[in-house]
Amino acid sequence: AQTVTQSQPEMSVQEAETVTLSCTYDTSESDYYLFWYKQPPSRQMILVIRQEAYKQQNATENRFSVNFQKAAKSFSLKISDSQLGDAAMYFCASRIQGAQKLVFGQGTRLTINP
Amino acid sequence: KAGVTQTPRYLIKTRGQQVTLSCSPISGHRSVSWYQQTPGQGLQFLFEYFSETQRNKGNFPGRFSGRQFSNSRSEMNVSTLELGDSALYLCASSLGWGPDTQYFGPGTRLTVL
Repeated sequence: AQTVTQSQPEMSVQEAETVTLSCTYDTSESDYYLFWYKQPPSRQMILVIRQEAYKQQNATENRFSVNFQKAAKSFSLKISDSQLGDAAMYFCASRIQGAQKLVFGQGTRLTINP
Repeated sequence: KAGVTQTPRYLIKTRGQQVTLSCSPISGHRSVSWYQQTPGQGLQFLFEYFSETQRNKGNFPGRFSGRQFSNSRSEMNVSTLELGDSALYLCASSLGWGPDTQYFGPGTRLTVL
């Protein structure tokens, strides 16, 4: 069975600073994918970044990057130069190869202080 | 290209009624998944469809059912509604059955009174 755990229910950061959101996961599969999704107050779930487990290189998307530690089953999200528009709930999710089902963590509410 | 659309966006029902929610995937996408989001349980997987076939089902009672049509549009139905069914129901679509990324719709907010 897959599980995803986000241990930080809430985080806050000053605008323009850097923040890291934590995520750990567990799976017995060798081929899987990891995601960070953002859910702003509009409730629209937006993909932030994805990582294929077979890739050693950490994924990056502009100000967003991940630290993927496969042996430790850790997948943290770093947001650089935080902007007010980054305020949202952030969900870590996993998916195994051969299935579309996403398993989500409990979410981290990120607040950006001006 | 238009995103995933879900109708209706908001719905109020009473206990015992049934409800049907609709999801239209991004044009060309053939895979659709459904999720239930509640404050207490978080995001939980309901079902996933590809080419009109249910490929996987989450741990929900038989009152929850779904289907996919030949144009990839999907519907989910909840019969004999209970108060605990109040939730945001999210639909996601992806291109195929491979490693494609899923894109979510805006959700349907269901309130059961």
